Amino acid sequence: ETGVTQSPTHLIKTRGQQVTLRCSSQSGHNTVSWYQQALGQGPQFIFQYYREEENGRGNFPPRFSGLQFPNYSSELNVNALELDDSALYLCASSLAPLEGYGYTFGSGTRLTVV
Amino acid sequence: DQQVKQNSPSLSVQEGRISILNCDYTNSMFDYFLWYKKYPAEGPTFLISISSIKDKNEDGRFTVFLNKSAKHLSLHIVPSQPGDSAVYFCAASPAGRAGKSTFGDGTTLTVKP
Repeated sequence: ETGVTQSPTHLIKTRGQQVTLRCSSQSGHNTVSWYQQALGQGPQFIFQYYREEENGRGNFPPRFSGLQFPNYSSELNVNALELDDSALYLCASSLAPLEGYGYTFGSGTRLTVV
Repeated sequence: DQQVKQNSPSLSVQEGRISILNCDYTNSMFDYFLWYKKYPAEGPTFLISISSIKDKNEDGRFTVFLNKSAKHLSLHIVPSQPGDSAVYFCAASPAGRAGKSTFGDGTTLTVKP
């Protein structure tokens, strides 16, 4: 049973560019949540996908968008990158979007915007 | 306005002693609370959770206590081991919104041999 894998591990982009981050959920997991973790802070919820539909969104602008595919892998897209978007992006998957089901986190993608 | 606060950025304890990590929250809608542990270069790992209908949950060396009236929870680790050295995050979510948690900024625990 593989865990959650994220790619790439590190990325450097220029302000104004667009970026796509990828996440492969743990086998059998149909729910994925994305988080942004700035340096020295806790993860901040971006959005969640459940069975290919967005199932809740945090306080992030529309230039943060996502997709979940039929195999439950997921993408996070960020348009018009800003310097403040520099952070660790984490995805976490679960068997269901309910309490009592543990979330498994990936190791994250470190995005640097210059 | 930070809804989940971990006021101690760091904590150092001796091996074998008790570690107590604290967390305060402000949102009365929070109904489900979790603790995660994070090692460098790894994602957070789920440790233990508690629902608001309980005031204590225990799992081996880890116990979480919830005081709803004070909007306070704590994680006790007994006995502490050097391998427990990590960053500990407290997280909270309203009922039915698991996986959409609000996290604190973390407490770095160092357990000295």
